[in-house]
Amino acid sequence: SQELEQSPQSLIVQEGKNLTINCTSSKTLYGLYWYKQKYGEGLIFLMMLQKGGEEKSHEKITAKLDEKKQQSSLHITASQPSHAGIYLCGADNQAGTALIFGKGTTLSVSS
Amino acid sequence: ETGVTQTPRHLVMGMTNKKSLKCEQHLGHNAMYWYKQSAKKPLELMFVYSLEERVENNSVPSRFSPECPNSSHLFLHLHTLQPEDSALYLCASSPRVAKETQYFGPGTRLLVL
Repeated sequence: SQELEQSPQSLIVQEGKNLTINCTSSKTLYGLYWYKQKYGEGLIFLMMLQKGGEEKSHEKITAKLDEKKQQSSLHITASQPSHAGIYLCGADNQAGTALIFGKGTTLSVSS
Repeated sequence: ETGVTQTPRHLVMGMTNKKSLKCEQHLGHNAMYWYKQSAKKPLELMFVYSLEERVENNSVPSRFSPECPNSSHLFLHLHTLQPEDSALYLCASSPRVAKETQYFGPGTRLLVL
């Protein structure tokens, strides 16, 4: 079965610093989704990537998909306290019926 | 606000109780999902419904019983749960069951004593 591994598991950055979170799949990626979750709450959709080489941005968050490496990265520029939370990557399962998820990366931003 | 609501937000129940979780989506979607999120584990898919028909049951114990009366509502009926069933239960919806973005509700935090 497909697995998604996220790295790092957690990180603490100073406000204003840049950071990158990675998501690596054990199998071919057909669709990659990034979500943000505040502890104990629901997931907020950030971006979806479908094609190799695709890159999308929303405010200060940029996500890229490297199909050959079966990997996606999420980059935050000039981090702010509002960026703190848990970032989860998800991918379409083989049947295309639901998503499988990584364990998440917990981001803390110190001011 | 994602357009998906869940009630209750928090629930404490004993192992002999029967309770139900409710999910409602206001997005006009045709697919709805139940996921379980436990500490230190990835989200686990439980059930998938498309136009009120169950299309996937991911080896979930029978003490969890889903119900989808229409495409806007999804229930998860709980009975004789175990303490290890304590988790955050998340509902999601998407336009269709076919590689579409899913939108999640805020979740129900369940504690089984």
